[in-house]
Amino acid sequence: AQKITQTQPGMFVQEKEAVTLDCTYDTSDQSYGLFWYKQPSSGEMIFLIYQGSYDEQNATEGRYSLNFQKARKSANLVISASQLGDSAMYFCAMREPDSGTYKYIFGTGTRLKVLA
Amino acid sequence: DARVTQTPRHKVTEMGQEVTMRCQPILGHNTVFWYRQTMMQGLELLAYFRNRAPLDDSGMPKDRFSAEMPDATLATLKIQPSEPRDSAVYFCASGYTVTYNEQFFGPGTRLTVL
Repeated sequence: AQKITQTQPGMFVQEKEAVTLDCTYDTSDQSYGLFWYKQPSSGEMIFLIYQGSYDEQNATEGRYSLNFQKARKSANLVISASQLGDSAMYFCAMREPDSGTYKYIFGTGTRLKVLA
Repeated sequence: DARVTQTPRHKVTEMGQEVTMRCQPILGHNTVFWYRQTMMQGLELLAYFRNRAPLDDSGMPKDRFSAEMPDATLATLKIQPSEPRDSAVYFCASGYTVTYNEQFFGPGTRLTVL
């Protein structure tokens, strides 16, 4: 079963508008972490934002915010004031305990295109 | 500016040849992860280490892939013999279990097996 689900293979957004990228997860652990990474066309994986399962406040990093709804097991990424440079692939990931350390599971990604 | 480094960045080889990919994790990090990214499968976890000990390599084809950490500054991923279906981008990432937060990814090795 998929542990991280990103249902939007591709998204378009107009420059300067906000966009929400969806992510749902499945875990039975109480302690876990949720991440978003950006992968531009150059290929590198860039960390954007982190949310811990015990964090009560939604995480924010500049124009990025994570809409964490624990009961619904969703961790959507909100990008405000989109810029052309935001065009990239975005991956949601979950860290969960495994064998005394942590294992990271990635979703299939959402390709975002920002339109001028 | 601490970064994960990977060599080579690109590798083209012929089927049947041995391929070795190297990764230097960020100094002080105690976990290392190897991922493979393809269009069809997305990002797959191949293996990971904590304090140089392999914890899980269930994502790797055992007959041809091997991962090691000869020392704390070097992780290797070997494919022998390579096959065309191994063509992919291989990422190494490192992290630190105390902070439990993000992994830092290397730039990747783009492997093409002809």
